[in-house]
Parts: sequence; C-alpha cells; structure tokens
Amino acid sequence: GENVEQHPSTLSVQEGDSAVIKCTYSDSASNYFPWYKQELGKRPQLIIDIRSNVGEKKDQRIAVTLNKTAKHFSLHITETQPEDSAVYFCAATTGNEKLTFGTGTRLTIIP
Amino acid sequence: DAMVIQNPRYQVTQFGKPVTLSCSQTLNHNVMYWYQQKSSQAPKLLFHYYDKDFNNEADTPDNFQSRRPNTSFCFLDIRSPGLGDAAMYLCATSRGHGLAGETQYFGPGTRLLVL
Repeated sequence: GENVEQHPSTLSVQEGDSAVIKCTYSDSASNYFPWYKQELGKRPQLIIDIRSNVGEKKDQRIAVTLNKTAKHFSLHITETQPEDSAVYFCAATTGNEKLTFGTGTRLTIIP
Repeated sequence: DAMVIQNPRYQVTQFGKPVTLSCSQTLNHNVMYWYQQKSSQAPKLLFHYYDKDFNNEADTPDNFQSRRPNTSFCFLDIRSPGLGDAAMYLCATSRGHGLAGETQYFGPGTRLLVL
C-alpha cells in the first residue's frame, strides 16, 4: 500500500519568512495530493491540492510543487503570519477513495 | 452553511458503556468516512462507505461498528469503549464519482472522553 513520509515534524519560522514542508510517497500510481491545515481542536481543512498532471500550483501565499519522478511534493508558505501556526498534513491517493496521510508538521510562526 | 455536521461535539462515556456518534452531510456525497485522531497524530481511517457498500480497514477493532441508513447520515458505534478509545472522531465525505483523486471534506469532529 501507499506510504507517505513527511518532514519536518516541527518547524518554527520567524513571521514574514517562508516555510517549506516536504512529503515523499511510495506508490507511483498516486495521482492526487492534498494538503490539510488543522488548528488546535478543529477539523482538518483543505488548503491546496495538486494532481499528477501538474508540476506546481499556487494560491496567494501558498504553493505546492510535485516531482513525480522523485515521488515527492512540497508545501511552500511565503510571508508567514501568526495565523499560519497549525499542524499541516500532506496526503496522497491513487484514486481509490482513500487518503494516506503523512505524520504531520507542527508549524509555529514566531512574532 | 455547514456541510458535514457531527453530533455531539463532545461526548463523555463510561468505560464499557456503548456510545454512538453521528454524522450528517448536505453535500449529497457518495462516500462517507470515519477517522480516529489522537493528539498530534494523523487521522486514522476506521472504515468508509461507498454508497451502501461498507469498507472496513483491516486493523479496525471489532469494537467499532458503523451504520449508514441513508445518503445523508452515518453513525459510529463503539460497543464497549476502553480508555484507549478516547480520541477525536472525524467524519468526512467525498463525491465518489470515480474520478482520479477526490477532496475529502471533514466535519468538526466529536471529542470522546472515556471515564
């Protein structure tokens, strides 16, 4: 089955700096890669996703890149703000309705 | 405009006392999921329904059961909760139109405390 590894497990960045979270996946058939943000005590919320036919996608301060050859994808957050502090999960799926999640990254933005 | 609703938001039960958590959706999605999430961990899939077809994960304990009486509602039954079952239980939905990779939409979760 699919295995998704996520690094780092914790990340602290100065407000205004950029944050990068990386994930690798094992199943070359995976074709959809969402990123979820989860604030303390709240639901995971989709913040951006990318499909296997695209190499990069951007939405304001958030971008995701995908390298299918290397089987890794990354989340980039620029101009970080205190409200970006949360746990971020990457995930991958082959389209069989099930997501395989990474282990999560706790991002702390230091004011 | 809540799309995935979970009730109750907080549930306290006693060790061994059956408990039922509920989930409803207004999205008319075919697929409904139940996840267990313990602090600082990724959501762990317990099972999911594709329409009426039930799909259990191999490592989901028999103590956990589910029902989906119609498209909108799905229930999680914990027959004899143990202390280790204390967690956040998340319901999620996806369209299930057979497209390659679909977004899952999560409900707010039910936090279960076992005394």
